[in-house]
Amino acid sequence: SYELTQPPSVSVSPGQTARITCSGDALPEKYVYWYQQKSGQAPVLVTYDDKKRPSGIPERFFGSSSGTMATLTISGAQVEDEADYYCYSTDSDGDLWVFGGGTKLTVL
Amino acid sequence: QITLKESGPTLVKPTETLMLTCTFSGFSLNTSGVGVGWIRQPPGKALEWLALIFWDGDKRYSPSLKNRLTVTKDTSKNQVVLTMTNMDPVDTATFYCAHSRPSGYISTGYYGWHFDFWGRGTPVSVSS
Repeated sequence: SYELTQPPSVSVSPGQTARITCSGDALPEKYVYWYQQKSGQAPVLVTYDDKKRPSGIPERFFGSSSGTMATLTISGAQVEDEADYYCYSTDSDGDLWVFGGGTKLTVL
Repeated sequence: QITLKESGPTLVKPTETLMLTCTFSGFSLNTSGVGVGWIRQPPGKALEWLALIFWDGDKRYSPSLKNRLTVTKDTSKNQVVLTMTNMDPVDTATFYCAHSRPSGYISTGYYGWHFDFWGRGTPVSVSS
């Protein structure tokens, strides 16, 4: 099996920078993807291929990856960014897709 | 515009088989480099990847559920069907289907499959 590990929760004040991490043994060679899921809604892709942003996603969302850890950075977090965030990637063989355990971001 | 919608029973009994349908528009599952996947989320818990079917008929399943899952496609109807056997109360969850695309292509094939468009999800409870 393969696992991606995230902190259960992160809390920041509005306007501060939020950083959510994701660790996995295969991340040095595999892309990571980040999803935002607001309460009662389906997940939304916020970054892909480690650091790219889909159209419509605010520039304050920034993805990065170094070694076995990927980070989603939200610069100047806003109250509407409060959500659960999940990282997503594959094992080294590329045959097993997994989500991280999720991180609840609180902005208050 | 890509859209997906899940449909199926909201309540099944233990040991029964669950069948969910994903009806999509805005893309064809006959097109190279396209996939449709299934993901579930128990109440208050994390997302769990279940299965993925590709344009060429290839399929991938979660190893922990492989013996219980079957995914099929009907390209004429723009539908993908997920079947899960021997349902148990711990399988209670919201089930999502999602459009999948690769990040790129190299000599060995497509890589970086991920979900970019999701359905709204359908809740399924397992109870007698």
